[in-house]
Amino acid sequence: KQEVTQIPAALSVPEGENLVLNCSFTDSAIYNLQWFRQDPGKGLTSLLLIQSSQREQTSGRLNASLDKSSGRSTLYIAASQPGDSATYLCALDTGRRALTFGSGTRLQVQP
Amino acid sequence: GAGVSQTPSNKVTEKGKYVELRCDPISGHTALYWYRQSLGQGPEFLIYFQGTGAADDSGLPNDRFFAVRPEGSVSTLKIQRTERGDSAMYLCASSFQANTEAFFGQGTRLTVV
Repeated sequence: KQEVTQIPAALSVPEGENLVLNCSFTDSAIYNLQWFRQDPGKGLTSLLLIQSSQREQTSGRLNASLDKSSGRSTLYIAASQPGDSATYLCALDTGRRALTFGSGTRLQVQP
Repeated sequence: GAGVSQTPSNKVTEKGKYVELRCDPISGHTALYWYRQSLGQGPEFLIYFQGTGAADDSGLPNDRFFAVRPEGSVSTLKIQRTERGDSAMYLCASSFQANTEAFFGQGTRLTVV
């Protein structure tokens, strides 16, 4: 059974800092990996999708990497802003057509 | 539509009552998913539809939960004899086809009192 772990569970940084969020998984047989953002009490917003054959994806200040052999993905956020404060979730598609999620990293960017 | 739409956004019901939660996926998306999210946790899979049929309902917790998608578009999640433990955020997602990028709605916050 695929297990997804996100460390740290919570993170507080000052505005402007670059930061890395980690996601690890136990089964490397994946179709793709998706990073989401969730604001309190709201739904999920898709940030980046990395296909199994890809190593990384970039969108603006966000960069996500995927290393299947080590069972790890990282989400890099450059020049963090208070508006980046949210919970960030990684999710894996293992081919059974449903996503398996981690518990998320709750990010607070202090102005 | 422009995005996945879920109604209602909030639902408060009494223990033992029946509730229906609605999901309107992105137009043209054949795959539709329901997830449930408890506070502080990631979403957990409930059921997946490909077209009109439930291709995988292995995540439904028990037979009080049922979902339909009769015309391959709008889906309804139905919960009978609600219990306080059913209180959670219910999220719907759709994708163009299975194994492609999933887009989520804003969720329905269900509270059973």
